[in-house]
Amino acid sequence: QQQVKQSPQSLIVQKGGISIINCAYENTAFDYFPWYQQFPGKGPALLIAIRPDVSEKKEGRFTISFNKSAKQFSLHIMDSQPGDSATYFCAASMGNTNAGKSTFGDGTTLTVKP
Amino acid sequence: DAGVIQSPRHEVTEMGQEVTLRCKPISGHNSLFWYRQTMMRGLELLIYFNNNVPIDDSGMPEDRFSAKMPNASFSTLKIQPSEPRDSAVYFCASSLQGSRGKLFFGSGTQLSVL
Repeated sequence: QQQVKQSPQSLIVQKGGISIINCAYENTAFDYFPWYQQFPGKGPALLIAIRPDVSEKKEGRFTISFNKSAKQFSLHIMDSQPGDSATYFCAASMGNTNAGKSTFGDGTTLTVKP
Repeated sequence: DAGVIQSPRHEVTEMGQEVTLRCKPISGHNSLFWYRQTMMRGLELLIYFNNNVPIDDSGMPEDRFSAKMPNASFSTLKIQPSEPRDSAVYFCASSLQGSRGKLFFGSGTQLSVL
């Protein structure tokens, strides 16, 4: 049973544009929602994360929007740059229970064209 | 901090051989996770440890897979005997309990079973 569904599978954006990746979850016990960025040959690296008690979190060009009632959250990358080209994974965990065990979405391959 | 260290970076072996993957978590982190990444199945959690104790091994595909964490600074994932379908990138990640599942990944081991 896939608990975190991510879309789209791939995304092509022009430099300077906005990249939007969406995720939906099923388990209402999840209480921590991180996004990871992965470059080829590297492990995923934490990019930004949100807790369900806030609806939005912004760090530089990266913003998470969270809709608790719809059980959805999304990553917005403003002013996308070629260096942002990578695979992005959303995840969900039950915070401090289960040692922070995370369930990942299937990933979105982002290509930013110069 | 050196981050999570995995070895080897690449492993090529023949079907039937034993494979041992190694991981050194970040010092002070008390949770350790083994993930497998493939194109078909994405990031799958195989097993995780908390304070060196295996908590959930339900993701281990079959008895050919085993994992140990003899101390807080070392873990191994062993496949015996290996099969071509085990070919994947295996990631180790660690986290600090109380960090809400903020994972730090190693660079992974690319395993090819011929």
